[in-house]
Amino acid sequence: DAGVIQSPRHEVTEMGQEVTLRCKPISGHNSLFWYRQTMMRGLELLIYFNNNVPIDDSGMPEDRFSAKMPNASFSTLKIQPSEPRDSAVYFCASSSGQGAGETQYFGPGTRLLVL
Amino acid sequence: AQSVTQPDIHITVSEGASLELRCNYSYGATPYLFWYVQSPGQGLQLLLKYFSGDTLVQGIKGFEAEFKRSQSSFNLRKPSVHWSDAAEYFCAVGHASGGSYIPTFGRGTSLIVHP
Repeated sequence: DAGVIQSPRHEVTEMGQEVTLRCKPISGHNSLFWYRQTMMRGLELLIYFNNNVPIDDSGMPEDRFSAKMPNASFSTLKIQPSEPRDSAVYFCASSSGQGAGETQYFGPGTRLLVL
Repeated sequence: AQSVTQPDIHITVSEGASLELRCNYSYGATPYLFWYVQSPGQGLQLLLKYFSGDTLVQGIKGFEAEFKRSQSSFNLRKPSVHWSDAAEYFCAVGHASGGSYIPTFGRGTSLIVHP
């Protein structure tokens, strides 16, 4: 299995631009998670989906952030407009959705720099 | 709400020495506990997990962890550290929600291995 795939691996953009991060979960996994990692705040859960439906988006920092999962094999996290404080590493993870104790498998992350 | 404390930001050990990384959690019910490792530029990889049964859990790469309810701890151990173990280690406590589980991560402990 190829694991969780994220693209791009690195993104440099200017403030005000739209940024779209992409994620392909492991085939057969029902749950998908978006995380943000920064030095200041550590690893934060932004949103998670179960069977393509957003379950909890309370971690999304503000309206500039949006996430979609149009099908079981693809999800996007969009930032519009981007700001320098959005600079971070964004991880996507997926799991089987079988409940507590299940394992999350992380992608390699997208390193975002907003100038 | 659940929380995780990793009191050591950095730990330095010599190669071949034993290792113990501390983790304390706060959670009202029986916790689901995890240790993840993150190598530089990589996503998180699960080392081991506990959600029931034997309180001493064996993981990959020779790691083990012991759940101690009385101390609200889940410390990670390895008898002999290898240089390749240098990485960031995250403890997490999870709870079931919406068909999946939601982990809360600690801030991480950076392991430095001296030759």
